[in-house]
Amino acid sequence: DSGVTQTPKHLITATGQRVTLRCSPRSGDLSVYWYQQSLDQGLQFLIHYYNGEERAKGNILERFSAQQFPDLHSELNLSSLELGDSALYFCASSVDGGELFFGEGSRLTVL
Amino acid sequence: QKEVEQDPGPLSVPEGAIVSLNCTYSNSAFQYFMWYRQYSRKGPELLMYTYSSGNKEDGRFTAQVDKSSKYISLFIRDSQPSDSATYLCAMGPNQAGTALIFGKGTTLSVSS
Repeated sequence: DSGVTQTPKHLITATGQRVTLRCSPRSGDLSVYWYQQSLDQGLQFLIHYYNGEERAKGNILERFSAQQFPDLHSELNLSSLELGDSALYFCASSVDGGELFFGEGSRLTVL
Repeated sequence: QKEVEQDPGPLSVPEGAIVSLNCTYSNSAFQYFMWYRQYSRKGPELLMYTYSSGNKEDGRFTAQVDKSSKYISLFIRDSQPSDSATYLCAMGPNQAGTALIFGKGTTLSVSS
């Protein structure tokens, strides 16, 4: 158990809809990272938050947004969903930006 | 050219074999190198972490980094069926200085 909690584990929705994925980092970790994993692209970095502030953006679509709350949990919002957004979404937390501790992921299926 | 290249396999070996997994990279600014293991339906977990060129050993696992060739390797000795998983190389920091860049992963199957 990495100590990182993600909900929901599975989500099935329709194109055009909006979903929210939630992440609770390990106790004491101020950094939260979101990654998307698909078979053809592998693990792609989406966005990084540190203590409530956005630190870096990766390959994140404009339809996607995230935030980190004062209690350090984070949410990833995906809107106007398309079939190609079906993937595993991982949250990871870190103390110092080196080693990342991953949650078990949220599997999103868009029909 | 992708920043990190990793052969996806799959790689199938018998129990007890020595396994060699490799990644190449193009960004000479990468400073730290990691190997993650991911079991089916689970999140990646850190296996090995090296900060410079050279070797690091941990039990049956040895990580090698050759910065001059931009090449990293993971060796697994006496492979076990429980080693069957996807192995992801990772390195960083990325351009923003904050995140890891991952290879696509190599799927390993060890048969008993």
